[in-house]
Amino acid sequence: GAVVSQHPSRVICKSGTSVKIECRSLDFQATTMFWYRQFPKQSLMLMATSNEGSKATYEQGVEKDKFLINHASLTLSTLTVTSAHPEDSSFYICSALRGLPYEQYFGPGTRLTVT
Amino acid sequence: AQTVTQSQPEMSVQEAETVTLSCTYDTSESNYYLFWYKQPPSRQMILVIRQEAYKQQNATENRFSVNFQKAAKSFSLKISDSQLGDTAMYFCAFGLQGAQKLVFGQGTRLTINP
Repeated sequence: GAVVSQHPSRVICKSGTSVKIECRSLDFQATTMFWYRQFPKQSLMLMATSNEGSKATYEQGVEKDKFLINHASLTLSTLTVTSAHPEDSSFYICSALRGLPYEQYFGPGTRLTVT
Repeated sequence: AQTVTQSQPEMSVQEAETVTLSCTYDTSESNYYLFWYKQPPSRQMILVIRQEAYKQQNATENRFSVNFQKAAKSFSLKISDSQLGDTAMYFCAFGLQGAQKLVFGQGTRLTINP
């Protein structure tokens, strides 16, 4: 149990376009999901906390108008990178929180390349 | 704010050897969790082991065990009888009780050689 999926696994988009990444908890409900960004050979950097039915909480330095997060159901959170630029190219990872004991289950990640 | 430090960017050992990865953290809180995650080349994050700060007993999971020194704010991971499949990036992570979000260390790249 406790499987989290992400779609797509890889995406290439042109500069100036928007791209949506989906994160789903497949066998449990997740009130809270997290979005991370990971640059090559670096650690995970938390971008935002996504709470079902309410606005996401963004970490300092993360542009909320550029990285739109929607958590419309207990099993789905989406991250939309708007007006993407090459510097947005990165590996994006989501996780879903399953309670008691609180534990984060991670998705397989999405590699975004902006050309 | 909490910080997590992994001072060993890379480590390499022979198969079947024992290896210890270091992690230190800084916090003023008393209730928290510590984790070790493994990220193999597939980049899927996998939980290796977790430790609740209120527990004095060190956590163990098969070949994986931790040495949790709360006063020293140290949380090392020992891998016994290392296997080729243990080759991965290992991240130490800190989580506050109730806050849920994690702070990760910089990672240690572990290579197990045949």
